[in-house]
Amino acid sequence: AQKVTQAQTEISVVEKEDVTLDCVYETRDTTYYLFWYKQPPSGELVFLIRRNSFDEQNEISGRYSWNFQKSTSSFNFTITASQVVDSAVYFCALSEGGNNRLAFGKGNQVVVIP
Amino acid sequence: DTGVSQDPRHKITKRGQNVTFRCDPISEHNRLYWYRQTLGQGPEFLTYFQNEAQLEKSRLLSDRFSAERPKGSFSTLEIQRTEQGDSAMYLCASSFWTGIGKNTEAFFGQGTRLTVV
Repeated sequence: AQKVTQAQTEISVVEKEDVTLDCVYETRDTTYYLFWYKQPPSGELVFLIRRNSFDEQNEISGRYSWNFQKSTSSFNFTITASQVVDSAVYFCALSEGGNNRLAFGKGNQVVVIP
Repeated sequence: DTGVSQDPRHKITKRGQNVTFRCDPISEHNRLYWYRQTLGQGPEFLTYFQNEAQLEKSRLLSDRFSAERPKGSFSTLEIQRTEQGDSAMYLCASSFWTGIGKNTEAFFGQGTRLTVV
C-alpha cells in the first residue's frame, strides 16, 4: 500500500523567506511518481512538479525546487523568496506504476505574512 | 479548453436525498478520476475511468455511490440516500494515458462542495 506523510501541519513565514516542506513516502513498487500540488482557497488543486522514481536529479523551476532522495524515501519541496500569493495548502502525492491513482499526504498549510 | 470543470460548485441537501455531480474533463484526456476531500485532509481516491470503462473503485465507494462515464467524455457521480458523513469536497481530475509510464499529470477541477444537513 502506498502512503505519504507530511509531518508539518501549518507553517508561517514572513514574505521573502524560504520555506521547505517535508514529504516521506512508502511504496513497494520500483516504478512510481511523486508530485507536489498546491491548493489555494479557491479549492482547485494546481499541479506544481512531478518526478519519477528513476530520476533523482534535483532541479529548480523558478522559485520552486525539490530534493528527491530514494535512500530516505523523501521528496522535499522548497519555495524560495516566498510571496503572499504562495499562501495555500501544499500536498505531496504518490502514484505507483502508471495508473496515476494518487495517494495524498495530509497537506501543509503555508501562511506567508506580508 | 479551459480545464476540468465541475458542476455544481456547491450543493446543500437534506439527509436521505440523492445528489448527482458532473465533471467535464479536458477534452483530449482519456482518464478521469474522482476523489473526496474532507476538511483538513488530503484528497482520497474514489474511482477512475479510462474512456467509458470504470477500471478501479476504492473501498471508500460504498453501494450508495455510483459513477458513470457513458460516452468517455463527461462523468457523473451520484450519491443515493445521502448521510451527514458524505459532506465533503468531491474533486474530479483528468489525464492523458498512453501506457505504463506514459501518463500526463492529473489536472483537477475546482470541486463540488457537498453539505448534508
